Amino acid sequence: AQSVTQLGSHVSVSEGALVLLRCNYSSSVPPYLFWYVQYPNQGLQLLLKYTSAATLVKGINGFEAEFKKSETSFHLTKPSAHMSDAAEYFCAVKPRGGNNRLAFGKGNQVVVIP
Amino acid sequence: DAGVTQSPTHLIKTRGQQVTLRCSPKSGHDTVSWYQQALGQGPQFIFQYYEEEERQRGNFPDRFSGHQFPNYSSELNVNALLLGDSALYLCASSLIPREGTEAFFGQGTRLTVV
Repeated sequence: AQSVTQLGSHVSVSEGALVLLRCNYSSSVPPYLFWYVQYPNQGLQLLLKYTSAATLVKGINGFEAEFKKSETSFHLTKPSAHMSDAAEYFCAVKPRGGNNRLAFGKGNQVVVIP
Repeated sequence: DAGVTQSPTHLIKTRGQQVTLRCSPKSGHDTVSWYQQALGQGPQFIFQYYEEEERQRGNFPDRFSGHQFPNYSSELNVNALLLGDSALYLCASSLIPREGTEAFFGQGTRLTVV
């Protein structure tokens, strides 16, 4: 079964600083990759996804992620953190070939310090 | 366009009782998946329904069952509730024939078992 690793459950970042959230997947065949954001007491909102086109994917709210096959990684970045970025972020994978279930990492709780 | 809607938003049940959660998919979607998100964890896949049949199932006991109706809406039923069933239950809808498409999530139902 495919799995996702997100290190560091809590991430603190100063307002205006770089946001970097790491995601590594375990799969011999590159899966579909997703980043979701969850605000308090809400469901999940898609930030961006990687299917098989460009390896640098741009998403909503100024976030982007780069797929690196050699590192089995899909790290999420934002150049300048905003207070509204405080939320929980989940990396998820879905295997190619018909299995339509998402496997999520444990998430990163992002705290933005003014 | 209404997104994925879930009801109720919050629910308190007693151990041993049964509960039914409901989900209406995003307009145009034909597939519904259910996830359980325990506090501080990423969502865990329960099962997926397509064409009114359970197509895939995660590692959950038979106490968890579901149904999909002709209008694509879905129910999640949990019997003999345990304290450990307390979690946020998320419904996600998608189009199954299109590989790589993202799932859209509802706001979730917060179930508390006492």
